[in-house]
Amino acid sequence: KQEVTQIPAALSVPEGENLVLNCSFTDSAIYNLQWFRQDPGKGLTSLLLIQSSQREQTSGRLNASLDKSSGRSTLYIAASQPGDSATYLCAVNGGNNRLAFGKGNQVVVIP
Amino acid sequence: GAGVSQSPSNKVTEKGKDVELRCDPISGHTALYWYRQSLGQGLEFLIYFQGNSAPDKSGLPSDRFSAERTGGSVSTLTIQRTQQEDSAVYLCASSSQGARTGNTIYFGEGSWLTVV
Repeated sequence: KQEVTQIPAALSVPEGENLVLNCSFTDSAIYNLQWFRQDPGKGLTSLLLIQSSQREQTSGRLNASLDKSSGRSTLYIAASQPGDSATYLCAVNGGNNRLAFGKGNQVVVIP
Repeated sequence: GAGVSQSPSNKVTEKGKDVELRCDPISGHTALYWYRQSLGQGLEFLIYFQGNSAPDKSGLPSDRFSAERTGGSVSTLTIQRTQQEDSAVYLCASSSQGARTGNTIYFGEGSWLTVV
């Protein structure tokens, strides 16, 4: 069974600092990995999707890397803003029609 | 529609009552998923549909839970004889094909269920 762990569970950073969020998974046989954002009381918004053959994906200030062999992904958010405050979820697709989710990194960016 | 639509957005029900939660996926998406998110917990897979068939029902927590999909579009998740432990956010998601194609999965805003 795929286990997904996200560290740290919660963090606060001053505005302008770069954010580094870590995700680890136990089974390296994956199709892809997806990072989501969840605001309080809201659903999930897809941020980045990395296929198993890729090493990273970038969108604006966001960059996600994937090291499949070591079971790790990192989400970098450059020059954080208060609007980046949210919970970030990592989800691993093992091809069995279900995503395995971590419990999230809860981020607060302090103005 | 433009995104995955879920209704009701909030539901408070008495213990023992039945509830129905509805999901309208993105137009043209053949794959549909239901997940549950309990307070302080990660997302828990419930069921997957490809078209109208559900090849994977293994995540449904008990026989009080059932789901169907009609016309390859709208899906309904039904919880019979609700219990307090059923209180959670029920999230629906869709993608243009199944999980093995590696397509992005899009989530709705969720249905927030409270059983009192």
